[in-house]
Amino acid sequence: SQTIHQWPATLVQPVGSPLSLECTVEGTSNPNLYWYRQAAGRGLQLLFYSVGIGQISSEVPQNLSASRPQDRQFILSSKKLLLSDSGFYLCAWSKAGAETQYFGPGTRLLVL
Amino acid sequence: DAKTTQPPSMDCAEGRAANLPCNHSTISGNEYVYWYRQIHSQGPQYIIHGLKNNETNEMASLIITEDRKSSTLILPHATLRDTAVYYCIVYSQGETSGSRLTFGEGTQLTVNP
Repeated sequence: SQTIHQWPATLVQPVGSPLSLECTVEGTSNPNLYWYRQAAGRGLQLLFYSVGIGQISSEVPQNLSASRPQDRQFILSSKKLLLSDSGFYLCAWSKAGAETQYFGPGTRLLVL
Repeated sequence: DAKTTQPPSMDCAEGRAANLPCNHSTISGNEYVYWYRQIHSQGPQYIIHGLKNNETNEMASLIITEDRKSSTLILPHATLRDTAVYYCIVYSQGETSGSRLTFGEGTQLTVNP
């Protein structure tokens, strides 16, 4: 069966510091991968998605970036965090060509 | 993507059926209706999806009206563990085959003992 992992689970970072969140998927190959952010009390916002290694599509302009160095690894990064980057970051995967997405446990980021 | 409208909150007694409505009046012919739920501080969990026909799985049933402008998620015997925010999403596929699920505010379902 497929599983999706995210780490860390919780992160507290100062403004201006860098960020690296990691997501890995097991039990499948060539998945579509997604990064979402959920601000407190609000719905999910799609940030990035990837249909293959090195292929990243950005949905909204921001100071975040994403990379996919391996087939089942998706990384969310920032060079300098802003207060507004605080939120709950969720990684998801879907089979290529399929619509149903499956989410990881999330990373809660607090920027102070 | 078509937008959806859901009530912000609902209550249900434990053991009773929970019926969660969703309006999606601007849905287009090739868009699916998806339901996810999110228990506090966890990632969203897929529940069910459908295109035109009613669907049922081990978690829930999905009833889609004939004109596809609205749907209802039914949890037949709600338990306390079903307390969560339920999201109704109308799905469309991006130009580069990347799925784009747009989550709105959802419905906070509270199951009471």
